[in-house]
This record gives sequence, C-alpha cells and structure tokens, in this order.
Amino acid sequence: DGGITQSPKYLFRKEGQNVTLSCEQNLNHDAMYWYRQDPGQGLRLIYYSQIVNDFQKGDIAEGYSVSREKKESFPLTVTSAQKNPTAFYLCASSIRDITMRGHTGELFFGEGSRLTVL
Amino acid sequence: SQQGEEDPQALSIQEGENATMNCSYKTSINNLQWYRQNSGRGLVHLILIRSNEREKHSGRLRVTLDTSKKSSSLLITASRAADTASYFCAPSNDMRFGAGTRLTVKP
Repeated sequence: DGGITQSPKYLFRKEGQNVTLSCEQNLNHDAMYWYRQDPGQGLRLIYYSQIVNDFQKGDIAEGYSVSREKKESFPLTVTSAQKNPTAFYLCASSIRDITMRGHTGELFFGEGSRLTVL
Repeated sequence: SQQGEEDPQALSIQEGENATMNCSYKTSINNLQWYRQNSGRGLVHLILIRSNEREKHSGRLRVTLDTSKKSSSLLITASRAADTASYFCAPSNDMRFGAGTRLTVKP
C-alpha cells in the first residue's frame, strides 16, 4: 500500500548524542515536511522540502538537520545542539509544494516517532 | 503564514451528543481542510471544503465555511467514544497548524 513510513516508532537517546529519524514515502510526492509536537500542543514546522536536493528551514530548525537526496526519503537528524529534543516527531508529504496555486494542499502523515532523551 | 486557529481548545461531551469546533483564519483561501489526530498517531485528512462552497457533508461530519467571516466549523453529529481525538483545520495553502481542538467523548 502507498503511504509514509516513519521509523523507529520509539527512540531513546542519551544527552549529547545525535539521532536520525527516518521518513520514507512511496506516494511519488515531491514535497515532504517534518513537524515536532509536544504534549497537548499543536504541530510546529521544523524543515520542509519542495523538491529533491532542496529544503528550507521551518519555524524551529535550530538543532535539527535534514537531507533530501532521494525523492522517497527525508531523514531528520536531531543533533546534540537541540536543547529539548524529547517530543513526538511527524513526517508528512504532499503531491507538490503545498503553497502552489491549484494544489488542494492535502498532507499525508506518517505515524510518528517518539523521541525520549534520558 | 496563515495557519488556522481552532476553538475551543478542549471540548468534552457525552456519547450521542453533537460536537462543534470552529476555525478562524486571516487571509483569503482557495480551500480549507480538517484533519483528525488520535493520541500518539499521525494526522488523518477528514474533509476539504472549497472557497466557493458553503457547506459540505461526509457521513456524520458537516463542515461549513464563511469566507466573509474567515471562519469554518466542523460538526460531528451523534458522537461516539471513538471520535475522541484532536482536530485541526488547515487553510490553503499553508503547511502550518494551530493547536487544535481536543475532543473527548465520554461513553
């Protein structure tokens, strides 16, 4: 079935360690997004990519890094520079850049990765 | 950025009652979407309403859109315990979200 797969579902990390969260989609979507969600809160945009080999910072990019070497994959690295990394991370994709005219703007989400820093 | 803002932040009702949540936004839109998020899961797309539509139905969901007031509402009729979730609106064409409405339906 087509969809977005995030892994791992749960991840524990010691302070000072980098960790990479995987996001893979087989929907043939051009655009992909990473969000962070804290308990009882909404989603905050970390990074987004409108096309392969290109990405832009979102609202809370500090302490995070991404790459977009393949259309299907958009991994997120949570670096040791991120002060409060414990959170629920969601990846999403859309057919094309969500801001483009004529695009309905529908996002397709993965099931999330919960990162806990010990 | 033109993320929607949902209201109320939290809503608690009994099973069988109707649940209404609202969304306000700031600039003109082409369409507006509603999403649902079960606890600990990803968001799921519920319904899209276009700017030239005033009302749309999908099963027990009814969405209205008032572009003059820059607002939308989501009505869930005859709610069930399984409707317990957070609900988010997303005005086109933005990738940002508000805090959502946390709906609790008590059995």
